[in-house]
Amino acid sequence: DSGVTQTPKHLITATGQRVTLRCSPRSGDLSVYWYQQSLDQGLQFLIQYYNGEERAKGNILERFSAQQFPDLHSELNLSSLELGDSALYFCASSVGQGDNQPQHFGDGTRLSIL
Amino acid sequence: DAKTTQPPSMDCAEGRAANLPCNHSTISGNEYVYWYRQIHSQGPQYIIHGLKNNETNEMASLIITEDRKSSTLILPHATLRDTAVYYCIVLYNFNKFYFGSGTKLNVKP
Repeated sequence: DSGVTQTPKHLITATGQRVTLRCSPRSGDLSVYWYQQSLDQGLQFLIQYYNGEERAKGNILERFSAQQFPDLHSELNLSSLELGDSALYFCASSVGQGDNQPQHFGDGTRLSIL
Repeated sequence: DAKTTQPPSMDCAEGRAANLPCNHSTISGNEYVYWYRQIHSQGPQYIIHGLKNNETNEMASLIITEDRKSSTLILPHATLRDTAVYYCIVLYNFNKFYFGSGTKLNVKP
């Protein structure tokens, strides 16, 4: 158990819809990261938040947005969903934002777009 | 870019040491090498990381060559539960992990 909690575990929705994925980091961790894993793209970094502020951006689509709240949990919002958005979405957390601090991953949310 | 090269798959007999190689010839002097594994579709699990020196923890050992252009992850006594995809990652561009394709380790009885 990594200590990172993601909800829901599974989500099934239709094209054009909007969903929100939630992540609670490990106790004491200030950084939260979001990743997308699809069959043809592997694990891709989307975005990082540190103590409520956006710190780094990866290949995140404009239809996707995220935020980190004062209690440090984070939400990833996906809108105007397309079939290609079907994937596993992982959240990770780390104590700070330094290179010498490993990220710990949750078990992911499996998003299926019908 | 991945900045790492790993064999796509490896086999290992149960109880034997598993040695997983990784090439990272373009690594910079202050970039860390991380190893993670992913079992089925579970979240990636942190194994170990290092900068220059060899590292050991309860899960594995990490051997980094003196020129830092390659490294080896060693699982000293592989079990069936170690069957997974192992990712060697060079941390680049401030904490952005790039996982690449990894090595599928098959531990066989």
